[in-house]
Amino acid sequence: KNEVEQSPQNLTAQEGEFITINCSYSVGISALHWLQQHPGGGIVSLFMLSSGKKKHGRLIATINIQEKHSSLHITASHPRDSAVYICAVSGGGSNYKLTFGKGTLLTVNP
Amino acid sequence: NAGVTQTPKFRVLKTGQSMTLLCAQDMNHEYMYWYRQDPGMGLRLIHYSVGEGTTAKGEVPDGYNVSRLKKQNFLLGLESAAPSQTSVYFCASAIGQGHYNEQFFGPGTRLTVL
Repeated sequence: KNEVEQSPQNLTAQEGEFITINCSYSVGISALHWLQQHPGGGIVSLFMLSSGKKKHGRLIATINIQEKHSSLHITASHPRDSAVYICAVSGGGSNYKLTFGKGTLLTVNP
Repeated sequence: NAGVTQTPKFRVLKTGQSMTLLCAQDMNHEYMYWYRQDPGMGLRLIHYSVGEGTTAKGEVPDGYNVSRLKKQNFLLGLESAAPSQTSVYFCASAIGQGHYNEQFFGPGTRLTVL
């Protein structure tokens, strides 16, 4: 079974700061997913990647397959970025199921 | 498109009562999932379905049953609710085989069992 670890568990930043959230996993995967959940809200998929790097607005996701590690970066953070960010992986024999990390709670203060 | 919808949004039950949560998707997705989310635990898979008429157990299936009679609907049943089933329940769907399992989530159902 794949183990997915996220760090840090909690992160507080000032508006404008550069944010990095890390995710590591134990078994080879077919894809890694980054999800966002606002307080009391639903879950939205931000990125799905299997290699390299993807960028969407101020968000950047990278993955290193050899090191089994991914990072989610937020540039010029804003209070509206405050949310739980969840890493999940698919593959390793179970392409139809995701294994989730416990999430990183990000708070961006104005 | 409405995407993935869940009914109801909130519910309070007494111990021993039963209820059914409905998930519906209009994206013609093959795969559907039920998760529960508890503080500090992350999302845990209850049951899932890889096609109409098929269901399978996930990580925490005890106390729950499911049915997928129509491709667009996935029902989660609690036959005799217990306080340990107090949680937020999320439904999700995915296109199917060969699409790396990008999942689309419903808005969630907050269930309290007293």
